[in-house]
Amino acid sequence: DAKTTQPPSMDCAEGRAANLPCNHSTISGNEYVYWYRQIHSQGPQYIIHGLKNNETNEMASLIITEDRKSSTLILPHATLRDTAVYYCIVRVAHNAGNMLTFGGGTRLMVKP
Amino acid sequence: EPEVTQTPSHQVTQMGQEVILRCVPISNHLYFYWYRQILGQKVEFLVSFYNNEISEKSEIFDDQFSVERPDGSNFTLKIRSTKLEDSAMYFCASSEAQGKYFGPGTRLTVT
Repeated sequence: DAKTTQPPSMDCAEGRAANLPCNHSTISGNEYVYWYRQIHSQGPQYIIHGLKNNETNEMASLIITEDRKSSTLILPHATLRDTAVYYCIVRVAHNAGNMLTFGGGTRLMVKP
Repeated sequence: EPEVTQTPSHQVTQMGQEVILRCVPISNHLYFYWYRQILGQKVEFLVSFYNNEISEKSEIFDDQFSVERPDGSNFTLKIRSTKLEDSAMYFCASSEAQGKYFGPGTRLTVT
């Protein structure tokens, strides 16, 4: 799986959009970008994934650049409960049984 | 909304003892996993399980570890002879398609 690079930490004001960047310059054509988050001491939580088109669900939006070398997870109106470590993971998605490799992630602190 | 459940939430055991961590995956999911997270460290993959057999395992998953799906609902992780370094949060996960759904974890403390 391609390596990802994320800033170790970010702050965001409550109610504002949180934009979390991820670099994956070595991504290959059949690899998807996945985002998970881990709220303190809880199990990781799936957020969203995408291949090349932008994606949106009830939790977040995922913007992938045209060259697919980077992406941004957007939480449109961050709340205090969004304080968590956010993981960007790149992997081939054809097999749902594939393991996930977690890096250090970005620790997002949402402040009042 | 369906969720993965794990029991117990906290297990304390003495070094050398056997422990069994239990998980109930989401009912229509076909893939099951165990991950662990040592305090302050990254989440690490241990093993994946599909069609009643291990499909992938990491270097961490040595002969001291085993997994089993004893019936149609439970998925267990057994550590035969626990070591101090096995102290960690153990997360069970299941998936059907793309996203994996993790349980709340079992905190294992080996003394």
